[in-house]
Amino acid sequence: EVQLVESGGGLVKPGGSLRLSCAASGFTFRNAWMSWVRQAPGKGVEWVGRIKSETDGGTVDYTAPVEGRFTISREESKNMLYLQMNSLKTEDTAVYYCTTLMYYSYPDNWGQGTLVTVSS
Amino acid sequence: EIVLTQSPATLSLSPGEGATLSCRASQSVASYLAWYQQKPGQTPRLLIYDTSHRATGIPARFSGSGSGTDFTLTVSSLEPEDFAVYFCQQRSLWPFTFGHGTRLEIK
Repeated sequence: EVQLVESGGGLVKPGGSLRLSCAASGFTFRNAWMSWVRQAPGKGVEWVGRIKSETDGGTVDYTAPVEGRFTISREESKNMLYLQMNSLKTEDTAVYYCTTLMYYSYPDNWGQGTLVTVSS
Repeated sequence: EIVLTQSPATLSLSPGEGATLSCRASQSVASYLAWYQQKPGQTPRLLIYDTSHRATGIPARFSGSGSGTDFTLTVSSLEPEDFAVYFCQQRSLWPFTFGHGTRLEIK
């Protein structure tokens, strides 16, 4: 059974940093394309970025709102996915989900999410 | 980026009725469109991918159709557990985008 468990969320001031982690199990992590998506309270879902599998080169695509501030990485030896968030803004407040991707592009397994609140 | 517009914003129906939800893209996404269901307090669940293919475990009462810029999710006969928010998502062009959702509520 696929399991994705996020951690690391919390309250941070504008301009601060936070690192989210996602522990993956139940599938071959090194072959999986992964993503981070987010959902602001009461709002729709928004892409943060996706990372290719190690076997496909491990490169990352970001969306414009986070490009240059957020970094997605993966650690194959630990089956871990990370999201380093710097220069946080109030508009980054959301629940952040780690997902696997079907066809490199459809989130098909989701973690339970971790809440990030950016507020002074 | 491709903008997905969902309509209606809210749909009020009774169990047993059929539901038709719409998703319109600002430019063609070919057949690269998916639908998700999100119940209160839960994570989104993939229902339909590439326009018309049901994901694993999704009941046959859910079906998808369309191509290019206009897509439809149909629920043939609503069960009580179907009342939720539904999102569409395109994978034709990065950045992939989601629609803002249609809330399907009990009338």
